[in-house]
Amino acid sequence: AQSVTQPDIHITVSEGASLELRCNYSYGATPYLFWYVQSPGQGLQLLLKYFSGDTLVQGIKGFEAEFKRSQSSFNLRKPSVHWSDAAEYFCAVGAGGSQGNLIFGKGTKLSVKP
Amino acid sequence: DVKVTQSSRYLVKRTGEKVFLECVQDMDHENMFWYRQDPGLGLRLIYFSYDVKMKEKGDIPEGYSVSREKKERFSLILESASTNQTSMYLCASSGTGGLNQPQHFGDGTRLSIL
Repeated sequence: AQSVTQPDIHITVSEGASLELRCNYSYGATPYLFWYVQSPGQGLQLLLKYFSGDTLVQGIKGFEAEFKRSQSSFNLRKPSVHWSDAAEYFCAVGAGGSQGNLIFGKGTKLSVKP
Repeated sequence: DVKVTQSSRYLVKRTGEKVFLECVQDMDHENMFWYRQDPGLGLRLIYFSYDVKMKEKGDIPEGYSVSREKKERFSLILESASTNQTSMYLCASSGTGGLNQPQHFGDGTRLSIL
């Protein structure tokens, strides 16, 4: 069965530092992968998605993610974090079927130190 | 831009009440979803619908039902609310095309059952 693991529950980085959030997935075929961000009290906003092709995908707000099939990973990165990036981040994989169901990881909460 | 609107941001109800959570999307999407979000558990799928009057159970349907009488509207119903249904509820929608269609989320309804 498909699954998504985000190993880090909470990460704190200093403003201006680089960021990498980890995501590992379990899926039999080529996965459809997504990263979402949730600001406090808000819904989820799509940051980026991967379906095929170039394994490095660019998203909104300066984020990028790299798909590594050999490691079953889809880690999210940002070269320089801003205080406004403090939020919870969710990785998701397409669950199969035609309805577009997603399986979400449990999320990583990002705190940013001034 | 896709707009998913949930009727209430905050809702307080009493144990045993019948509770309706409403969700409307403006992009003519076929698929609609209801999730609940709890700390440390991530997002869990309650029900989804891929067409008018069609519904499918998700991972945690017990205690809930749904209604989709019109394409743009998807309602979540708590038949007899209980305190363990206190949670954040998120609605999402996506278009046809299956796994490569991202889900678009509303801002959520924070429901408290007293």
